[in-house]
Amino acid sequence: EAQVTQNPRYLITVTGKKLTVTCSQNMNHEYMSWYRQDPGLGLRQIYYSMNVEVTDKGDVPEGYKVSRKEKRNFPLILESPSPNQTSLYFCASSPDRSVGGYTFGSGTRLTVV
Amino acid sequence: EDQVTQSPEALRLQEGESSSLNCSYTVSGLRGLFWYRQDPGKGPEFLFTLYSAGEEKEKERLKATLTKKESFLHITAPKPEDSATYLCAVRWNTGNQFYFGTGTSLTVIP
Repeated sequence: EAQVTQNPRYLITVTGKKLTVTCSQNMNHEYMSWYRQDPGLGLRQIYYSMNVEVTDKGDVPEGYKVSRKEKRNFPLILESPSPNQTSLYFCASSPDRSVGGYTFGSGTRLTVV
Repeated sequence: EDQVTQSPEALRLQEGESSSLNCSYTVSGLRGLFWYRQDPGKGPEFLFTLYSAGEEKEKERLKATLTKKESFLHITAPKPEDSATYLCAVRWNTGNQFYFGTGTSLTVIP
């Protein structure tokens, strides 16, 4: 089944404790992206990657890191999480950056206390 | 400054009562406009891509249209299973980012 897999689905952590949210797609998509979704603010793009070793900032990159060492994986790293990073996170992929027909993962609900 | 605005924020319809959702954008140079459906606790599900004014796409009870400044998602004779949040997103000619609206929460009452 074609899908984007995110892990974990739920995570509660403490301020300052580094964490990684994994994202993997099995569709050989070139374009991958991370979003956060907050009430009243909608989906906001954190980082995106147009291909292996090519990443760029979205609208809200502060406090996040990404890497794209393999085509299928695009992990999101929070080096020192803070409470304002409490949010619902989605990874998404698309066969081509001009298409926009994303396949989204099921989401990761992160709480930073 | 919001570049993508969706209205209404919430919409309640009786089953069978047709209506339209709006997505307007303020920047010229549209590369593509995209509609998604999102069920509670799930990731958005892709519905349509529209590229140029006058274009229309249909899927079951949904029809998306595009003008130079806005898009409409028409829902004909909705059913309770159409209840969801509908999101639109745009991509401009410049840059590689996608910008999402805040969505319209649709509830269809049996």
